[in-house]
Amino acid sequence: DADVTQTPRNRITKTGKRIMLECSQTKGHDRMYWYRQDPGLGLRLIYYSFDVKDINKGEISDGYSVSRQAQAKFSLSLESAIPNQTALYFCATSDLRGIRPDTQYFGPGTRLTVL
Amino acid sequence: QKEVEQNSGPLSVPEGAIASLNCTYSDRGSQSFFWYRQYSGKSPELIMSIYSNGDKEDGRFTAQLNKASQYVSLLIRDSQPSDSATYLCAVYNNNDMRFGAGTRLTVKP
Repeated sequence: DADVTQTPRNRITKTGKRIMLECSQTKGHDRMYWYRQDPGLGLRLIYYSFDVKDINKGEISDGYSVSRQAQAKFSLSLESAIPNQTALYFCATSDLRGIRPDTQYFGPGTRLTVL
Repeated sequence: QKEVEQNSGPLSVPEGAIASLNCTYSDRGSQSFFWYRQYSGKSPELIMSIYSNGDKEDGRFTAQLNKASQYVSLLIRDSQPSDSATYLCAVYNNNDMRFGAGTRLTVKP
């Protein structure tokens, strides 16, 4: 089984709809991240969490919110989706207590299309 | 603004050749440097990390770091068609990871 899973893997929604993307991990890592990837722009950080009580904004947090329900679960919400949020979304984890806490491991991604 | 710059490519090399991928970064305080490989539609996969100046070799891959020039590179020896992918450079400083847009590599049989 994959260490980092994301659901759904693909989603098509309409402008104005609320949508939630979910991430779960079995790696036992304390840190979790949400990124979006757009063609030609690389990965950009939306939010990150170092533990259940710690949530931080990333480079592009506007229009997004997150919830860290447990150490293993980190959800990303789009309160009112707009077309320019169409992108590939990745969850990632890292281990503060590991040999290299800066190394991130990625989930399979969610392809989101907002019409 | 902390920037990580890569040539977008595509970079095309024949099978068996050496592929050279380059990355420059703007944050002089950067501490850790990574190369990820990403196949089309898939997630980034870590292939190399490097933390100090010089070369680091792992199989057919060699990462090179020059902090004075703010430059990191990845060499792929004996390139194979299966190496065809986008390679992302990532730079880390104080809980902040920045990614380049990636270089697309094509290895032709």
